[in-house]
Amino acid sequence: DQQVKQNSPSLSVQEGRISILNCDYTNSMFDYFLWYKKYPAEGPTFLISISSIKDKNEDGRFTVFLNKSAKHLSLHIVPSQPGDSAVYFCAAYAPSGTYKYIFGTGTRLKVLA
Amino acid sequence: NAGVTQTPKFQVLKTGQSMTLQCAQDMNHEYMSWYRQDPGMGLRLIHYSVGAGITDQGEVPNGYNVSRSTTEDFPLRLLSAAPSQTSVYFCASSSTTGANNQPQHFGDGTRLSIL
Repeated sequence: DQQVKQNSPSLSVQEGRISILNCDYTNSMFDYFLWYKKYPAEGPTFLISISSIKDKNEDGRFTVFLNKSAKHLSLHIVPSQPGDSAVYFCAAYAPSGTYKYIFGTGTRLKVLA
Repeated sequence: NAGVTQTPKFQVLKTGQSMTLQCAQDMNHEYMSWYRQDPGMGLRLIHYSVGAGITDQGEVPNGYNVSRSTTEDFPLRLLSAAPSQTSVYFCASSSTTGANNQPQHFGDGTRLSIL
């Protein structure tokens, strides 16, 4: 049973437009959520996170939105740039429970110049 | 400024062989973990540790052993390699303890092929 789901395996966006990546989770114990970016032949790198006490966190071009009632989070990238082309993973963590970071299956973003 | 270091970067094994994937971090992080990445499956947690002497199972622990004798090192052992263990393995660490949530730092991975 997959606790963190990214239902879109891939996404293509024109340069300068908004990229929206989505993630759903099932475990209500998760209270810390992260987005990672991964280039080929490299390890994932941390992008942005959000605690369950917030519904939005912003860092430059990247904004993460959390809807706890829907168990849904999304990553917005505005404006999208060709260098943003990568695989994006969302992850969830339950520090008061299992101490496990659980990752989604990833979404491959391609930003077209 | 090493961060998380994984060795080797590539390895080919024959079915039934054993091997240890090494992971070391120099950030004094309490939390360390191992993941495998397979096409369409994302990153799946194999084992993790919240501190020296403490380990626990993740989502896919079968066929793998871990130990955590020091804060810095968290080796992953394949006891008897099987073709299903062909994958890219990532080690990660973070300073997360209790409510002090911090993101994990990842190594660059070990690409393992089992023939």
